[in-house]
Amino acid sequence: GENVEQHPSTLSVQEGDSAVIKCTYSDSASNYFPWYKQELGKRPQLIIDIRSNVGEKKDQRIAVTLNKTAKHFSLHITETQPEDSAVYFCAASFLNTDKLIFGTGTRLQVFP
Amino acid sequence: DADVTQTPRNRITKTGKRIMLECSQTKGHDRMYWYRQDPGLGLRLIYYSFDVKDINKGEISDGYSVSRQAQAKFSLSLESAIPNQTALYFCATSDWNSAALQPQHFGDGTRLSIL
Repeated sequence: GENVEQHPSTLSVQEGDSAVIKCTYSDSASNYFPWYKQELGKRPQLIIDIRSNVGEKKDQRIAVTLNKTAKHFSLHITETQPEDSAVYFCAASFLNTDKLIFGTGTRLQVFP
Repeated sequence: DADVTQTPRNRITKTGKRIMLECSQTKGHDRMYWYRQDPGLGLRLIYYSFDVKDINKGEISDGYSVSRQAQAKFSLSLESAIPNQTALYFCATSDWNSAALQPQHFGDGTRLSIL
């Protein structure tokens, strides 16, 4: 069935280091992959997304890579800062129903 | 976005009560969604609506019902609340584009506790 797996569930890094979060999806027809950041007590907010016609997308310190053959995509945060601390969710679209399926989230902690 | 408004923000109620959570949006989006968030389980889709006449079940629709009263309003009801429906509920909206799926925008959430 439709499934998105996300790893790791928690990630702790030192300020200035990089952080990588990985997701795999089951539907080879998926073509849209957003990433959301949720700070404590707040709504999920879109930080970056990628479509299946590109392999990588960057926005300042954030990048997402997509490997369609292996059906996985990753979020890369460079030069992490304490304000990057949050829960990050990946998601993948499923064309049969045109909806998103979310991963279970990664809690990122950036220590000063 | 203040454009997606959920009411109430918090609600505590008792088992067996009927609850309605409301969502309204000023974005002009056709598509609206209801999700449930539980610790360690991420966001799970309850119901979604692509327009006023189109309502679809998500992954976990049992025990819930919805009403799309207008393009801007999408309500979620728990007919007879039970404790395992205690969760954080989010409404989301997205635009429609025939070429590609569009990003979803979330409201601030409703924290629901059922005793």
